[in-house]
Amino acid sequence: TQLLEQSPQFLSIQEGENLTVYCNSSSVFSSLQWYRQEPGEGPVLLVTVVTGGEVKKLKRLTFQFGDARKDSSLHITAAQPGDTGLYLCAVRPSGGSYIPTFGRGTSLIVHP
Amino acid sequence: SQTIHQWPATLVQPVGSPLSLECTVEGTSNPNLYWYRQAAGRGLQLLFYSVGIGQISSEVPQNLSASRPQDRQFILSSKKLLLSDSGFYLCAWSLQRTNEKLFFGSGTQLSVL
Repeated sequence: TQLLEQSPQFLSIQEGENLTVYCNSSSVFSSLQWYRQEPGEGPVLLVTVVTGGEVKKLKRLTFQFGDARKDSSLHITAAQPGDTGLYLCAVRPSGGSYIPTFGRGTSLIVHP
Repeated sequence: SQTIHQWPATLVQPVGSPLSLECTVEGTSNPNLYWYRQAAGRGLQLLFYSVGIGQISSEVPQNLSASRPQDRQFILSSKKLLLSDSGFYLCAWSLQRTNEKLFFGSGTQLSVL
C-alpha cells in the first residue's frame, strides 16, 4: 500500500491549457513538498507547505495543502513546454520520522 | 553554496560484475545522505540513508550496500550485479537540523546486461 497516491499518473496536454495534479493519503503529515524532475536529472524542490489550508504560488504554479494536512494539489495555469516533467510529492509522516517518503509522481507532457 | 556531485552519469555493466557509485557533497558539514533508486520515470525508492560517518541504515533487503567513509562522501556498491539492479540511482543530501529539503545529484543511469 502506497503512503501517497498521486493522480493522474500521466497527463499530456497542449500549451496554454490549465491542469491540476493531486497527492492524497489517509495519513496526516507535518509537511508536504512538491518536486519537479526533468528527464535524466534529479528532482528539484518547488515548494514546502506546512499549514493546513495553506496556499503558495510560484509564478504560474499554485500549491494547496488540505485543511486536514492529508492531501495537496498543484495547479498549473497556462502550461508551457518547459513545465514538462515528473511532479513528485513527498512527506515526512507525523510521528517523528525524518525520512522523506515520495509518491510515484505525475508525468506531465506539454506539447507546443 | 552547497553542491552535490554524483558520478558516473551512465554506466553499462554485465551481470555479475561489481559496482561502485560515488557521491560527494560540498559546502556543508554533517549532512544526512541518501541513496534512492527510481524505476523508469516513476517514484523514488529509498535504499540507504546515513546520519554520520559509518552510520548506514538500509530500507530494503537487496543486492546493494552503502558506505560513508568520510563526512561528505557516500558510496553505493555491489559485489555482483543482477539484472534487477538496473535503474536510475540518485544521491541526495539534507541538513541535519531541519531535514526539510532534499537536494539531489544528477543521477546515474545503470544498465545491467
